[in-house]
Formats: sequence, C-alpha cells, structure tokens
Amino acid sequence: KAGVTQTPRYLIKTRGQQVTLSCSPISGHRSVSWYQQTPGQGLQFLFEYFSETQRNKGNFPGRFSGRQFSNSRSEMNVSTLELGDSALYLCASSPGDRGSGYTFGSGTRLTVV
Amino acid sequence: DQQVKQNSPSLSVQEGRISILNCDYTNSMFDYFLWYKKYPAEGPTFLISISSIKDKNEDGRFTVFLNKSAKHLSLHIVPSQPGDSAVYFCAASNRSNFGNEKLTFGTGTRLTIIP
Repeated sequence: KAGVTQTPRYLIKTRGQQVTLSCSPISGHRSVSWYQQTPGQGLQFLFEYFSETQRNKGNFPGRFSGRQFSNSRSEMNVSTLELGDSALYLCASSPGDRGSGYTFGSGTRLTVV
Repeated sequence: DQQVKQNSPSLSVQEGRISILNCDYTNSMFDYFLWYKKYPAEGPTFLISISSIKDKNEDGRFTVFLNKSAKHLSLHIVPSQPGDSAVYFCAASNRSNFGNEKLTFGTGTRLTIIP
C-alpha cells in the first residue's frame, strides 16, 4: 500500500516568488491536511480538505492557499514568498476514523532566499 | 494560543531506562490524544493514541496515560532503546464543525537515548 507522497522533496525559491507543493494521499483517504513545521513552533495547521472542500483553516495569511482534486490529490500554493516561509511543509491523509491518526508524507523542505 | 503544550523541548535518558514525555492541553473538547514520532527528514509517524474515556493505553514498550482532571497526558517508553531517539509530538483531536477530525499538535520534545 503506497504511503503519502509529497513532491518535490526540496525547493529553493527567491523572496517574492510563488510556489506550489503537491500531495498524493493514501488510496481511499479523502481527508488531506497541510502543516508547517519550523524549529520551536512544532506543527502548525494550515488547512484541511475533505472531498474537494476546505473544511478547516489555520491562522495563516491569505498568501497560503490550497485545493483538492476529485482524486483526493491536493496542492498547496504560497504566493509572494517571504524569508519566514522557509520551513518543512507536511501533508497528511486520513480515512477520518477517530483516533486512527494521520499518515504523513516525508514533507517538502522549502527554503526562501 | 497554544492549546497543546510540551514544556520540555528536550530529554536525555540512559538506554534501558524509562523515558517519560509529558503533554498538557487546555481545550476540554479534545476527545482523542495521539503521540507521533519524527526522525529528521521524515514525516511524523503515528505511535499510539488514547480516547478520553480511558486513562491508559498500552502497546508494547509504549504506554500513554491520560489524566483528564489535570488535562495532562504522558508517554512512557520502557525500556528505552537507541532507535527511540527522535522528536515526539503530542496531538489532540476534536471533531470539527464539519464532523471530521481536527488535530492540534504540541511543539515537540527531542528525546535522546544515551547508549
């Protein structure tokens, strides 16, 4: 059974540019969540998609957006990149059962220079 | 507002001894609690969970204890092994307005097992 796949693994962008990250969930999982991990801040929730609809959103500026396709694959977009956006971006998929936890991908390491 | 707190950024434990990682929460609506383990350059891996209706759940070397009145949970690892060296995240779950699950994570504790 394939896990959660995130592409690309590493990315270097210049301040002011935009970036799109991709996530393919485990087959059959309809919920996809995105998290930002930075040192000392843990995993900060960005947003969650379920059946192509954004269900929950964290406290991030509007520069951060996402979408989910009919095959449950999800993309996250960050526009007008800032140095502080440098982080590990993690995608997680879930079947939705309580307590089963999420399965995370390996993440995309974004560096903004 | 940090609803899930892990107050110890790091912890060092001798191999073979017990590792105890702690987590506090503030939201009474959380009804499931989970622990994740994360190695560098990898995504977090689900370890163990506990429902709020229980006070203990055990899985091999890992045991999670929940004290609802104190809004506190802990993860015990016995005996600790070098492969347990990782960052451990505590997470709390509640049902969102849409009926699905929403996870809130703590800031993590880096556990180092000393051989």
